[in-house]
Amino acid sequence: EAGVTQFPSHSVIEKGQTVTLRCDPISGHDNLYWYRRVMGKEIKFLLHFVKESKQDESGMPNNRFLAERTGGTYSTLKVQPAELEDSGVYFCASSQEAGPPNFGAGTRLSVL
Amino acid sequence: AQSVTQLDSQVPVFEEAPVELRCNYSSSVSVYLFWYVQYPNQGLQLLLKYLSGSTLVKGINGFEAEFNKSQTSFHLRKPSVHISDTAEYFCAVSKRGGNKLTFGTGTQLKVEL
Repeated sequence: EAGVTQFPSHSVIEKGQTVTLRCDPISGHDNLYWYRRVMGKEIKFLLHFVKESKQDESGMPNNRFLAERTGGTYSTLKVQPAELEDSGVYFCASSQEAGPPNFGAGTRLSVL
Repeated sequence: AQSVTQLDSQVPVFEEAPVELRCNYSSSVSVYLFWYVQYPNQGLQLLLKYLSGSTLVKGINGFEAEFNKSQTSFHLRKPSVHISDTAEYFCAVSKRGGNKLTFGTGTQLKVEL
């Protein structure tokens, strides 16, 4: 079984540019989560999808962040325009109805 | 809301020595507890979890953790570490039945020869 896949693994952009991160969850997992780790700090929850619906987006930092999950399969997280403080590692995770989430390897975002 | 404290940011230890990584949590409701590990250049991997039942939980790679409700702790232990255990370890909590994880700041375990 393929794990959670994230693309790209690294992204370096300039302040003000737009970046889109993609996550492919494990097949059949209805729950999809985005988390973020800013350097040296804890991994923080951003949002949770159940199929294509946003179940909880309480962790989204501001309206520069837009997450979508069309069709309930893969998800994208767009940052527009990116700011310096958006730098960090963005993790995606997925799970079945009951059970701890399986995490991807993360996307390291550097905003210069 | 829940919170997790991992007091040790770095733990150096010699190979074959025992190790304990500390985790304390705070919550007003019943919780599930988890330990995840991140090896260099890899994603987070679940080491073990406590959902209910026996307070001593065994995980992969010889790790175990004990849930102590009175002390609100979930310390991770291994009796004899190996070089390959060098990684960052994260303690996490969710409310019982919930999906959202709250993580600690992580503990970097460095195993030396």
